[in-house]
Amino acid sequence: EAGVAQSPRYKIIEKRQSVAFWCNPISGHATLYWYQQILGQGPKLLIQFQNNGVVDDSQLPKDRFSAERLKGVDSTLKIQPAKLEDSAVYLCASSLGPEAWETQYFGPGTRLLVL
Amino acid sequence: AQSVSQHNHHVILSEAASLELGCNYSYGGTVNLFWYVQYPGQHLQLLLKYFSGDPLVKGIKGFEAEFIKSKFSFNLRKPSVQWSDTAEYFCAVFSNQGGKLIFGQGTELSVKP
Repeated sequence: EAGVAQSPRYKIIEKRQSVAFWCNPISGHATLYWYQQILGQGPKLLIQFQNNGVVDDSQLPKDRFSAERLKGVDSTLKIQPAKLEDSAVYLCASSLGPEAWETQYFGPGTRLLVL
Repeated sequence: AQSVSQHNHHVILSEAASLELGCNYSYGGTVNLFWYVQYPGQHLQLLLKYFSGDPLVKGIKGFEAEFIKSKFSFNLRKPSVQWSDTAEYFCAVFSNQGGKLIFGQGTELSVKP
C-alpha cells in the first residue's frame, strides 16, 4: 500500500515570499491533517480535513496560512507571506476517519527554511 | 490547556541496557495515549497505543508502555535496547474534549553499539 506522499521535500525561501506544499494521502483515507514541527518540538496540528471540509483549523495562523482539499483527496498548504518563524517541517498525515482509534499515517514531511 | 511532557530530551544508552522514557499529560478526562517513533530518515510511525482495558500495552519491536491513571503517565519501556532502536520517540494524547492529537516535545534515543 502506498504511503502518504508529500512534495517538495525541501524548500528554501526568503521572508515575505510565498510557498506551497502538496500532500497526497493514502487512498480511501477520509481524514487529512497538516502538522507543523518546529525543531526541538513535537508536531502541532494546523488543520484537519474530513473529506473536503475543515474540521479543525483553530491553530492555523489564518492571516498567512491557507489550506484546501479539493475533491476530498489531495491537499495543498500555502504560506503567504512567509516569516522567519515559519521555518519548520510540515507534515501531512491521513487516517480512515477522525476517531481516536484510527491510526494516523504520516508522510515524509517538507522541510522549510525561511531566510 | 492540554499538554504532554516528556521528561528527557536526549537519552544515551549502550546496547542491552534497559530503557524507560517518561511521559506525563495534563488532561484529566478520558484520554487515548500513543507512542510514535521516527527512525533516522524515515516517517513518523505508530509504536503502540492505549485506549482501554489492560494498562500494560505491548507494541512493535519489543516495546511496551504502562498507563498509570493516578499519575497521568504513560511511560515507554524496553528491557534490552538495540542499536537499531536509535530514533526520536514522541508521546501523544488524544482527548475526547480536544478531539486532536497533542504531541510531547520528543526524546532522542541514541544507542551505542
